[in-house]
Amino acid sequence: EVHLVESGGGLVQPGKSLRLSCVTSGFTLENYAMHWVRQAPGKGLEWVSGISWNGGTTGYADSVKGRFLISRDNAKNIVHLQMNSLGPEDTAFYYCGKGRQLGMGFADFWGQGILVIVSS
Amino acid sequence: DIQMTQSPPSLSASVGDRVTITCQASQDISDYLNWYQQKPGKPPKLLIYDASNWETGVPSRFSGSGSGTDFTFTISSLQPEDVATYYCQQYDHLPLTFGGGTKVEIK
Repeated sequence: EVHLVESGGGLVQPGKSLRLSCVTSGFTLENYAMHWVRQAPGKGLEWVSGISWNGGTTGYADSVKGRFLISRDNAKNIVHLQMNSLGPEDTAFYYCGKGRQLGMGFADFWGQGILVIVSS
Repeated sequence: DIQMTQSPPSLSASVGDRVTITCQASQDISDYLNWYQQKPGKPPKLLIYDASNWETGVPSRFSGSGSGTDFTFTISSLQPEDVATYYCQQYDHLPLTFGGGTKVEIK
């Protein structure tokens, strides 16, 4: 059974950094791309970032490009989202998602999410 | 970026009704479109991929159609457990983009 567990969220001041982690189990991570999406309270879904199976291809939403960095360690079954220069607009639930295939594609399963609040 | 225009933003229908949601892409995305269901406090759940393919375990009352720029998602007979927000998402081009969502309620 696929499990994705996000961690690293919480309250952070504007301008600061935070690193989210997604620990995976129940599947062979190196065979799949991975994604992050977020959802501000009461708002819709926003795709944030994705990474191919070996990290060779990454993608970012325009709203986070240059500030966020996605990475993965297949040997440790973990995916990270480094978030820098955070602003109030980054306040949201962040969900880690398992890709359907090696390449970017789409996510077919999402974790339960972690809340990030950016506030002074 | 590809813009996904989803309508209506919300709808209210009776149990047993046929419900239709549309999603329009700002450019041709072939059939690289998903439909997700999200219930309050829960992560999204994939229902339909490649515009018209059922994800494993998804009831057959859910269906998707379309290609190019115009897509449709249908619930053939609305059930109480279908109360949720539904999102389309294109994955033809990075960045991936979602529609604004359709909140489905029971009348």
